[in-house]
Amino acid sequence: KAGVTQTPRYLIKTRGQQVTLSCSPISGHRSVSWYQQTPGQGLQFLFEYFSETQRNKGNFPGRFSGRQFSNSRSEMNVSTLELGDSALYLCASSLDRQGALTKNTGELFFGEGSRLTVL
Amino acid sequence: SQQGEEDPQALSIQEGENATMNCSYKTSINNLQWYRQNSGRGLVHLILIRSNEREKHSGRLRVTLDTSKKSSSLLITASRAADTASYFCATAAYSGAGSYQLTFGKGTKLSVIP
Repeated sequence: KAGVTQTPRYLIKTRGQQVTLSCSPISGHRSVSWYQQTPGQGLQFLFEYFSETQRNKGNFPGRFSGRQFSNSRSEMNVSTLELGDSALYLCASSLDRQGALTKNTGELFFGEGSRLTVL
Repeated sequence: SQQGEEDPQALSIQEGENATMNCSYKTSINNLQWYRQNSGRGLVHLILIRSNEREKHSGRLRVTLDTSKKSSSLLITASRAADTASYFCATAAYSGAGSYQLTFGKGTKLSVIP
């Protein structure tokens, strides 16, 4: 079974630009969550999508947005990039909603991440 | 905001020794999970312990949970150089409207010296 796939793995942008990151979850997984990881703040929850609907959102400005398609693939977009947006963006999938123990173990399966550098 | 806080932030041990990492959290949880991250890579799930469980084992891993103290510990026995990684605890807490949210701590960086 293929794991979670994130593209691109690395990218460099300049301030003011926008970026779109893509995540393909494990086949059959319906929940996709996004996290931002920086040395200073650690892993910060961005949002969770389940059945094409945003179910949960972290404390990030509106410049951060996402969506999920009918095949569960997800994209996140960051507009008007700032230097502080430089980070490793991690996508994680699970069978059911985050933390739910109804149908699975509740664990998240992570991709390798997209490392964004903003100059 | 961080729910779980790991302690220590960094730990260096010799191969063959045991490594213990602790996690404290603030609110009631549904379950607590531990993950490992090798440098710059994605996280890998290690073990999950439910709020009504006190101890769980998986291979060389032992996790305990004390909900009265809102704390958990991860013990890795007979450590190997390959265990060198960052370890994160993640708490699943109710976030309203029938949903839970997994919140990660900042992690413990473990170095196992051969």
